[in-house]
Amino acid sequence: TQLLEQSPQFLSIQEGENLTVYCNSSSVFSSLQWYRQEPGEGPVLLVTVVTGGEVKKLKRLTFQFGDARKDSSLHITAAQPGDTGLYLCAGEGGSGNTGKLIFGQGTTLQVKP
Amino acid sequence: DTEVTQTPKHLVMGMTNKKSLKCEQHMGHRAMYWYKQKAKKPPELMFVYSYEKLSINESVPSRFSPECPNSSLLNLHLHALQPEDSALYLCASSRTGNYGYTFGSGTRLTVV
Repeated sequence: TQLLEQSPQFLSIQEGENLTVYCNSSSVFSSLQWYRQEPGEGPVLLVTVVTGGEVKKLKRLTFQFGDARKDSSLHITAAQPGDTGLYLCAGEGGSGNTGKLIFGQGTTLQVKP
Repeated sequence: DTEVTQTPKHLVMGMTNKKSLKCEQHMGHRAMYWYKQKAKKPPELMFVYSYEKLSINESVPSRFSPECPNSSLLNLHLHALQPEDSALYLCASSRTGNYGYTFGSGTRLTVV
């Protein structure tokens, strides 16, 4: 069974601070996706990383996929209150296109003004 | 159109009722999904449809019955639900390849 361990589960920081969320597994994934979810809404896709070692930047967010395609991280620079939400990493199975997206447990981020 | 539309947004039903959740997308995605999400937990996969055919059923109880009438629509028929089935039900769609999923806003279901 493929599992994704996401840490930390909760994070409360002040506006302007930096943070990193980790997503780790002992299994290989064909892709890793990061989503952000607001209360009462569906997850919104932030990025998909596919290639081992890949780094993608989305404004103040930086996403990395591990060389072995087993782990990923999300780094936010100078966090803002608008970054508050639930961040979810999700992996597509090793052979890809399985239809089974495996989610980490999520990181609840609160950014205080 | 880059959205997945779910209706209704909220639903309260009794344990003897029959109701349906609807999901629609016009992005040409050929894979559609139903997920269940409890408070402060990640979404859990229920069903996967690929090219209008059911490809994955994650051992979901038969009181949940999915239907895919065409490539744009996905329904979830509900019958004789239990209070523990109360949750946010999310529909998603994707195209072939590692492009990520587009989720709808969900239906908040309460079973009384």
